[in-house]
Amino acid sequence: AQSVAQPEDQVNVAEGNPLTVKCTYSVSGNPYLFWYVQYPNRGLQFLLKYITGDNLVKGSYGFEAEFNKSQTSFHLKKPSALVSDSALYFCAVRASWGDDKIIFGKGTRLHILP
Amino acid sequence: DGGITQSPKYLFRKEGQNVTLSCEQNLNHDAMYWYRQDPGQGLRLIYYSQIVNDFQKGDIAEGYSVSREKKESFPLTVTSAQKNPTAFYLCASSNPGTGGGEPQHFGDGTRLSIL
Repeated sequence: AQSVAQPEDQVNVAEGNPLTVKCTYSVSGNPYLFWYVQYPNRGLQFLLKYITGDNLVKGSYGFEAEFNKSQTSFHLKKPSALVSDSALYFCAVRASWGDDKIIFGKGTRLHILP
Repeated sequence: DGGITQSPKYLFRKEGQNVTLSCEQNLNHDAMYWYRQDPGQGLRLIYYSQIVNDFQKGDIAEGYSVSREKKESFPLTVTSAQKNPTAFYLCASSNPGTGGGEPQHFGDGTRLSIL
């Protein structure tokens, strides 16, 4: 069965410092991996995805994520955090075969401290 | 602009009442989804539909019903059988037929509370 784990409920980072939000996954076969961001009382916004190819994926708002097959991880990163990056972040996975359902992690709340 | 519209933004339900949440998309997407979001639990799939006039149960379908009579619309009814309906409900759509790597697009949600 597919699953996604976000081991940290909350991450605190000082503005200007690099940030990492962790995600590990379990899926049979090759995964399709996604990161989304959610601001208060809003829907989820797509940030980036990994389908195949380069392990480092670049997305919106300066975010990037690194796919590591051996560690089954897909950590979200940004070189220099902004206060406006404070939000709830979700990692998600879909098996590259099978149905169209996506499994979401429980989310990590990112606090950027001014 | 293309997107997903959910209405109403806030909804209150009385005991024994059924309520319907609206979801409309103009993205021409084939698939549509309903999720329930509770604090600390992430998103849980209620129902999804990959094509008009067809839909499948997700992980927490009990107490909910849906219809998909038009490609653009996927309303969710929260029935009186759902004893704990207070949550944030999110509708999404996607075009999985393009290979499965397309992301889902989300509406801005409906917050349902019990009166």
